[in-house]
Amino acid sequence: GESVGLHLPTLSVQEGDNSIINCAYSNSASDYFIWYKQESGKGPQFIIDIRSNMDKRQGQRVTVLLNKTVKHLSLQIAATQPGDSAVYFCAENPPGNTPLVFGKGTRLSVIA
Amino acid sequence: DGGITQSPKYLFRKEGQNVTLSCEQNLNHDAMYWYRQDPGQGLRLIYYSQIVNDFQKGDIAEGYSVSREKKESFPLTVTSAQKNPTAFYLCASSKSNTGELFFGEGSRLTVL
Repeated sequence: GESVGLHLPTLSVQEGDNSIINCAYSNSASDYFIWYKQESGKGPQFIIDIRSNMDKRQGQRVTVLLNKTVKHLSLQIAATQPGDSAVYFCAENPPGNTPLVFGKGTRLSVIA
Repeated sequence: DGGITQSPKYLFRKEGQNVTLSCEQNLNHDAMYWYRQDPGQGLRLIYYSQIVNDFQKGDIAEGYSVSREKKESFPLTVTSAQKNPTAFYLCASSKSNTGELFFGEGSRLTVL
């Protein structure tokens, strides 16, 4: 769903299914992107990153896709497990010496 | 082990009191950051520092102050001027201002 107001969009997925979490980034000149996972009450943890000269990068059970034409980033999680339940944030690195810019986040809920 | 340590993890204060949150890193990172996170929300940048004895305001610096006297340490003071200080505060560090951020476990401040 789309992010509106104060509530994070939520994605509910059956255990074992694949998950796709989407993110629209703002700056077409951003050259580096990261996905973070944040479990309840903890700090965000790095999942996977991708540079703007790539359109796909794979990790263990995760794949990040980058579509620069429409400024869109997605995170695909294969065979989703209950431990994947968390809030997922994308972050972009804008040009110049400025910090990462974080998206609003998506809550992934895995149904056992 | 290398990492970022935030303390305290939980903190309760009365309205009108200043409170200082500690953040220490032994990763030899040059840049450090403070973010605020409200329930169901994303990360908002309060302050960041790219080098010792220098720091810049983020998006929501009003009511907060920081210092960077040592490379390893970046304490955040939540002053009585901050109108709504109850939140989850996250500290992070990175090798440079444009790279991957490593987060601490967060400090939850509740103002009574």
